[in-house]
Amino acid sequence: KAGVTQTPRYLIKTRGQQVTLSCSPISGHRSVSWYQQTPGQGLQFLFEYFSETQRNKGNFPGRFSGRQFSNSRSEMNVSTLELGDSALYLCASSLGRGKETQYFGPGTRLLVL
Amino acid sequence: QQQVKQSPQSLIVQKGGISIINCAYENTAFDYFPWYQQFPGKGPALLIAIRPDVSEKKEGRFTISFNKSAKQFSLHIMDSQPGDSATYFCAASSFRNSGYALNFGKGTSLLVTP
Repeated sequence: KAGVTQTPRYLIKTRGQQVTLSCSPISGHRSVSWYQQTPGQGLQFLFEYFSETQRNKGNFPGRFSGRQFSNSRSEMNVSTLELGDSALYLCASSLGRGKETQYFGPGTRLLVL
Repeated sequence: QQQVKQSPQSLIVQKGGISIINCAYENTAFDYFPWYQQFPGKGPALLIAIRPDVSEKKEGRFTISFNKSAKQFSLHIMDSQPGDSATYFCAASSFRNSGYALNFGKGTSLLVTP
């Protein structure tokens, strides 16, 4: 089975712009979670989607949003980018239905200038 | 607020030695405790996970020890190899309370010297 894929892998944006990141989960996985990884804060949970519904949300401002499509693919959007948004954004998928094992993609490295 | 505290921040072990990483948590609702390994440029990969109803779980050279009363758990890597050099993260979650949201420790950078 193919693993979790994320596109693009690298992205450079300037302050004030917005960005959309994409995640394709493992085939058959219905839950997709997003995490932000920075050297200072480590790995922090952004939100989780299951069957196109946001089921859980972390402690991030409303500039961070996401959605999930009927094929379980997910997108994450960050509006009005700030320098502090520079990070590795990781997507993880799991089967759902109580199976918590999450499989991570390689991440999208976002640099905000 | 960091819900999972991990130590040490970095660790240097000789080849063949035992690497030990410790984590502590406060939220007694946590019921799933995975460990992830991350190499530079890659996403975290699940190593091993444990639930609070067992005190130890072993998979190959990797063992999780779990102490429910102390709210602590640790990862032991036996016969450490240079290929084990990576960053290790402990995590905890409560499916009942917050779905699949993982609360991660800050990570331990492990270097295994030849």
